[in-house]
Amino acid sequence: TQLLEQSPQFLSIQEGENLTVYCNSSSVFSSLQWYRQEPGEGPVLLVTVVTGGEVKKLKRLTFQFGDARKDSSLHITAAQPGDTGLYLCAGDNSGYSTLTFGKGTMLLVSP
Amino acid sequence: GAVVSQHPSWVICKSGTSVKIECRSLDFQATTMFWYRQFPKQSLMLMATSNEGSKATYEQGVEKDKFLINHASLTLSTLTVTSAHPEDSSFYICSARTFGPTTDTQYFGPGTRLTVL
Repeated sequence: TQLLEQSPQFLSIQEGENLTVYCNSSSVFSSLQWYRQEPGEGPVLLVTVVTGGEVKKLKRLTFQFGDARKDSSLHITAAQPGDTGLYLCAGDNSGYSTLTFGKGTMLLVSP
Repeated sequence: GAVVSQHPSWVICKSGTSVKIECRSLDFQATTMFWYRQFPKQSLMLMATSNEGSKATYEQGVEKDKFLINHASLTLSTLTVTSAHPEDSSFYICSARTFGPTTDTQYFGPGTRLTVL
């Protein structure tokens, strides 16, 4: 069974602060995906990282895939209230039919 | 990105009735779709994997006679909650998988809020 440990589980910060969310596993994944989910809606794909050591930027969000493809991080710079939501990392392994999800990080950004 | 729709977006029903939720991939064909259940402020819990033209594969602890899944076409999967009870009230989300040259991607529907009275 593959597991993804996501931390922190909850994060409450003020607008303008920076934060990092971590996703760690003892298993190797062929790719890793990050989703954001707002209350009452389905998760929306933010990014997919495939190559070990890969860094992708999406405006104020920076995603990194570990060299060994076992871990990933999401860094948000100057967080805004619109960033509030549940952030989910999900690992993909071609040997399995579905993604392995972390437990999620609930982020609350206050004005 | 690919679009997955769900219908209805919310439903309220009486205890003992059955409810059908539809999941459609709008701009791609999906041989595999997934059904998840989500409790407030928690991550997604996989219920079953739906394969077009064959029986669904259920996760441990999910009653297949309670949650009937049909994947009759490459763009449509349905989840029927039979004889619903208040404990079945939850947020149900489907997703569909696309297969790319280097990686696969799962796209999620907007979810269906089920409330059983």
